[in-house]
Amino acid sequence: QKEVEQDPGPLSVPEGAIVSLNCTYSNSAFQYFMWYRQYSRKGPELLMYTYSSGNKEDGRFTAQVDKSSKYISLFIRDSQPSDSATYLCAMGRNNRLAFGKGNQVVVIP
Amino acid sequence: SQTIHQWPATLVQPVGSPLSLECTVEGTSNPNLYWYRQAAGRGLQLLFYSVGIGQISSEVPQNLSASRPQDRQFILSSKKLLLSDSGFYLCAWSVGGIDYGYTFGSGTRLTVV
Repeated sequence: QKEVEQDPGPLSVPEGAIVSLNCTYSNSAFQYFMWYRQYSRKGPELLMYTYSSGNKEDGRFTAQVDKSSKYISLFIRDSQPSDSATYLCAMGRNNRLAFGKGNQVVVIP
Repeated sequence: SQTIHQWPATLVQPVGSPLSLECTVEGTSNPNLYWYRQAAGRGLQLLFYSVGIGQISSEVPQNLSASRPQDRQFILSSKKLLLSDSGFYLCAWSVGGIDYGYTFGSGTRLTVV
């Protein structure tokens, strides 16, 4: 079983819809939970990070962590065409990050 | 402010040729440095990481090597490229713990022909 599982299937949504992405993990030792956004042919950029179970909001973005279920989610409200990108989850322990494969999101105007 | 530079952005190399990709970080001292490869459908694969000058840890045995000749310089090399070395190579840095994640460079797209 891989440490981090993220269904890489592309996701297309109409502008204004809510985007829901999620990852599962197997290692209960993970302490940090992050989401990265990667535009085509660019390096990933840190979008959200959290340490604990619960929700964290930043504008239109909400990161959710459920440590008991080993499950994290990212929600994007009022999605915009500029949100079209690949979103990667990442989880860390001991100064190392494990990444999911990434979800390609396309927001259609 | 901290910045990370990675070059070249695109590279096409023949099989069997050598490789040298360079990454430099500005605005910070003693960063942890990382080389990742990103292949379609396979996500980010950690290749090497370094916690200090001359200190290199290899995650995956392969055709590549890394060196850190200076505090803020990280180099990825190969003596003879294989077709399977094609991919998107990313350098990243962090300082101390990973509280704020990694900061990635803009990447190098390598195509081995």
